[in-house]
Formats: sequence, C-alpha cells, structure tokens
Amino acid sequence: GQNIDQPTEMTATEGAIVQINCTYQTSGFNGLFWYQQHAGEAPTFLSYNVLDGLEEKGRFSSFLSRSKGYSYLLLKELQMKDSASYLCATGNTPLVFGKGTRLSVIA
Amino acid sequence: ETGVTQTPRHLVMGMTNKKSLKCEQHLGHNAMYWYKQSAKKPLELMFVYNFKEQTENNSVPSRFSPECPNSSHLFLHLHTLQPEDSALYLCASSQDQNSEPNTEAFFGQGTRLTVV
Repeated sequence: GQNIDQPTEMTATEGAIVQINCTYQTSGFNGLFWYQQHAGEAPTFLSYNVLDGLEEKGRFSSFLSRSKGYSYLLLKELQMKDSASYLCATGNTPLVFGKGTRLSVIA
Repeated sequence: ETGVTQTPRHLVMGMTNKKSLKCEQHLGHNAMYWYKQSAKKPLELMFVYNFKEQTENNSVPSRFSPECPNSSHLFLHLHTLQPEDSALYLCASSQDQNSEPNTEAFFGQGTRLTVV
C-alpha cells in the first residue's frame, strides 16, 4: 500500500521562505511529484524528483531523500499568489496524492 | 490551459438523473484518469485507461461508469448518485501509464458536481 503524509495548513509572510514537508511509504518507488492547486482550479505540475537531492526551479525547489521516505518543497520570496494547496504525490503510476497542504501567504 | 478540457464545469443533478462528464485531451497522451476530490480528503483515483483499455477500477461503485472510446476522450456516466457523491471530479492524462521514466499528469479544470 501507499501512505503519504503532509501538514494540513501553513501560514507564511510575503517575501519569506516556507518549507512544506512530505513523508511517504510506498511498496515501490518511481519518483515524487509536487503539484500546486489554487482553489477551484486544476492541479498544476511543479516538480518531479526521482534521485536524492535538491532540484531548483526558480523560486521553487524540491528535495528528496529516498532512504528516509521524505521530500520537501521550498518556496522562496513568497508572493500572495503562492497561496494555494500543495500536493505531494508518489510517482507510481497512477499518481497517489497526499491530502495537500493549504498555504496562506499573508502581508 | 493544460491541454485537458472537461465539461461541464458545474453540474447539479437529482438522485434519479443520468448525466455524463466529458474529458478531452489534446496532448497526444495514451493514459487517462478519473479522480474524485472531496473536501478535506486527498485526491482519490477512480479509474485508469491506458491505450483505451481500463487498467484500474479503484473499487468504485457501479453508479459510476467510465467510457474511453479513444485515447483522446474519456467519459464518466453517472446514474442514481447519492448526495455524498458531491465532489470535484478531475480528469487527467499522461504519456503512458507505464512510461519510464515517469512523466507528470496533466489535469483538467474539473467538474464540480452537486447531487441533490
């Protein structure tokens, strides 16, 4: 079976840095996805990690440790538009999602 | 615009009605998926089609019936639903269910379904 755990809600200040953690247990591993979902909209792809380490993509970075079953999404220079839910998903097709972390960015 | 289009965006139906949700992808993908998203619950996989063949049915009640006439279109036929079936129904597609390395799924905007 597969189990994904991430915090339900987080709040951070505009311009700050926030780290959203995700732990997972899976019978097989084929990478780890992060998606962003604004309220009432479709989830959109942010990042995919299959090897250990940090993948940087502009203001967003994603980290993976396969031995620890752990990933995080790092958001820098937060903007108000970053307020959304962030979904962690195992890469075993089809994707299995965590409950998502609702991030609120405040002024 | 993700290349995956779902219609309708909103649907209200009675428990005795029959309706269908439609999904179309313009990405040349071979795998298509139906997910259900209820409030405060994770995205739940319902059905998977790979090259038009159903490869997964995640213990979904028979009042939900999928149809995949070709790799670009996916339907979800609904009949005699219950109020607890009210949710956001999301369609997604990816290159291939068994592609290596894995590729991301692209989601449609979803259909917000309310059963009254």
